[in-house]
Amino acid sequence: GAGVSQSPSNKVTEKGKDVELRCDPISGHTALYWYRQRLGQGLEFLIYFQGNSAPDKSGLPSDRFSAERTGESVSTLTIQRTQQEDSAVYLCASSFSSGGSGAQYFGPGTRLLVL
Amino acid sequence: DAKTTQPPSMDCAEGRAANLPCNHSTISGNEYVYWYRQIHSQGPQYIIHGLKNNETNEMASLIITEDRKSSTLILPHATLRDTAVYYCIGLRGSTLGRLYFGRGTQLTVWP
Repeated sequence: GAGVSQSPSNKVTEKGKDVELRCDPISGHTALYWYRQRLGQGLEFLIYFQGNSAPDKSGLPSDRFSAERTGESVSTLTIQRTQQEDSAVYLCASSFSSGGSGAQYFGPGTRLLVL
Repeated sequence: DAKTTQPPSMDCAEGRAANLPCNHSTISGNEYVYWYRQIHSQGPQYIIHGLKNNETNEMASLIITEDRKSSTLILPHATLRDTAVYYCIGLRGSTLGRLYFGRGTQLTVWP
């Protein structure tokens, strides 16, 4: 079946602009994660959605970052007033709820470059 | 989640088995051992996970020692496309934990 998809695959923006990144999880996956990966660095957790529960936003680096999820489907990550340090690959992953495999399946990522 | 230790790099000839070790001596009883990999410029990819028993799927085999303090990921017939950084992670049984990747093992498969 279809995997996790993300769009756009690449985004170049100017400092101060807002950007919106989209994630389409695997159908039936109730958990959805956003991560950030700077060049040559490890994964940095941003936010986690699980069903209708309140999201875990503890990884968001500043109030310029926000995310929404519509039911158990599409999620959008919004970065307002982008800064150069926001340049990174933004990865989305989805997984089944507990009771199934905890494996997280990742999308290809959105490569964001802030000039 | 358990702290894991992996060698920074390994080489393997194409067609041979790649055996990637991981130490997780502080792993608790309800923590699973997960393996992921990340091929250059791609998102991480789930490989396999296990609790106590050895596991096998279409990608790899996972051998967990009886005391659960270490495990080995086996790629039975490595190909050039298996060149990647491999991460061993301990996650609690709730299975919804966020992922933290350590430095992992850079596996290079040579022709």
